[in-house]
Amino acid sequence: DTAVSQTPKYLVTQMGNDKSIKCEQNLGHDTMYWYKQDSKKFLKIMFSYNNKELIINETVPNRFSPKSPDKAHLNLHINSLELGDSAVYFCASRPGQAYGYTFGSGTRLTVV
Amino acid sequence: GNSVTQMEGPVTLSEEAFLTINCTYTATGYPSLFWYVQYPGEGLQLLLKATKADDKGSNKGFEATYRKETTSFHLEKGSVQVSDSAVYFCNVSGTYKYIFGTGTRLKVLA
Repeated sequence: DTAVSQTPKYLVTQMGNDKSIKCEQNLGHDTMYWYKQDSKKFLKIMFSYNNKELIINETVPNRFSPKSPDKAHLNLHINSLELGDSAVYFCASRPGQAYGYTFGSGTRLTVV
Repeated sequence: GNSVTQMEGPVTLSEEAFLTINCTYTATGYPSLFWYVQYPGEGLQLLLKATKADDKGSNKGFEATYRKETTSFHLEKGSVQVSDSAVYFCNVSGTYKYIFGTGTRLKVLA
């Protein structure tokens, strides 16, 4: 009964590969997000979807493509992975801006 | 532009010491303010929030007051425990605002 679940938890892959991370929330929230956390713990928003519609796309290379098949799911596909993509990627959801996020447990991506 | 400034860590305290982690922000309008905590290997968890000026958020002994005049939202706890060791993030949220502070690592020694 996890509220926001992401898979996989760990992902090790070679440069140039394409990979996907999946996220699902069972909270009924309208808005979902992808955040990237670097090795210094700095968090930066990447994308946000509200009820399947893209509302934020923050200066992210177009190798990253989010997809939201329905409001409970937000997946992240990454093409042509680079060393600099290594980070922890967090999915989150919330019902509105005055409410806190519920975060997933993160996907640690390592590009070698 | 919008920004959040958190005090640099790490902060190292003895058990039962008083904790303050400073957070100041710049933002237009009336954002909501949040503190999150991240334990090793986990995602961020909402610790407390305040949605308007002079509101005080509190949870698990932690408190923070929304100070619009000083644009601050400092996190405090009267007596920390070893189990409070984690990274704490201040967050400003509102229209087109999705900014987290850089995080402050707290280490509490027994």
